Amino acid sequence: NAGVTQTPKFRILKIGQSMTLQCTQDMNHNYMYWYRQDPGMGLKLIYYSVGAGITDKGEVPNGYNVSRSTTEDFPLRLELAAPSQTSVYFCASRLASTDTQYFGPGTRLTVL
Amino acid sequence: DAKTTQPTSMDCAEGRAANLPCNHSTISGNEYVYWYRQIHSQGPQYIIHGLKNNETNEMASLIITEDRKSSTLILPHATLRDTAVYYCIVRVARGSQGNLIFGKGTKLSVKP
Repeated sequence: NAGVTQTPKFRILKIGQSMTLQCTQDMNHNYMYWYRQDPGMGLKLIYYSVGAGITDKGEVPNGYNVSRSTTEDFPLRLELAAPSQTSVYFCASRLASTDTQYFGPGTRLTVL
Repeated sequence: DAKTTQPTSMDCAEGRAANLPCNHSTISGNEYVYWYRQIHSQGPQYIIHGLKNNETNEMASLIITEDRKSSTLILPHATLRDTAVYYCIVRVARGSQGNLIFGKGTKLSVKP
């Protein structure tokens, strides 16, 4: 198992550009999450999904969109990048029957 | 989810036990104590969790006081690779969203 994989590892965007952060898990987990982590801070939940076709907002969803067409993939879309979205983004997943979350390696995004 | 309080930072000598405290005085009867850690620039990693009994696994031990208002994570023989930020999280098992609420954690520095 590769676990949770994220691409790209690093990205620099200009203000107003858009991009999609990819997240894939091969553990057949129902739940998937997107978090962001600003420097020196804990993680904040952006969006989550309890299964294919079902998504919901977390604590800080503004400026982001998600979709969940398959169990494996949970992409995060930034439509109009802003400097406030400079952060490290982590994807995570878990089975519905447990609380243990497995995290990807993260995507470091800089918006200039 | 109950609030937790952890020291900002701690040092530990390599090979010695690292004892990381966490206060959660408002914990409810159905809330578990979870520990995750985040090694620099990586995604968080699950360590251990418990409800009221002490728990041990291959990574660490978790000691929860009888009144459940505090707990201690013990790394029995700390190595340099255990240098990380350690997060204590209190939450209901398999809550509605299931997301983890991360505070600032304790930065553990293991020194040779």
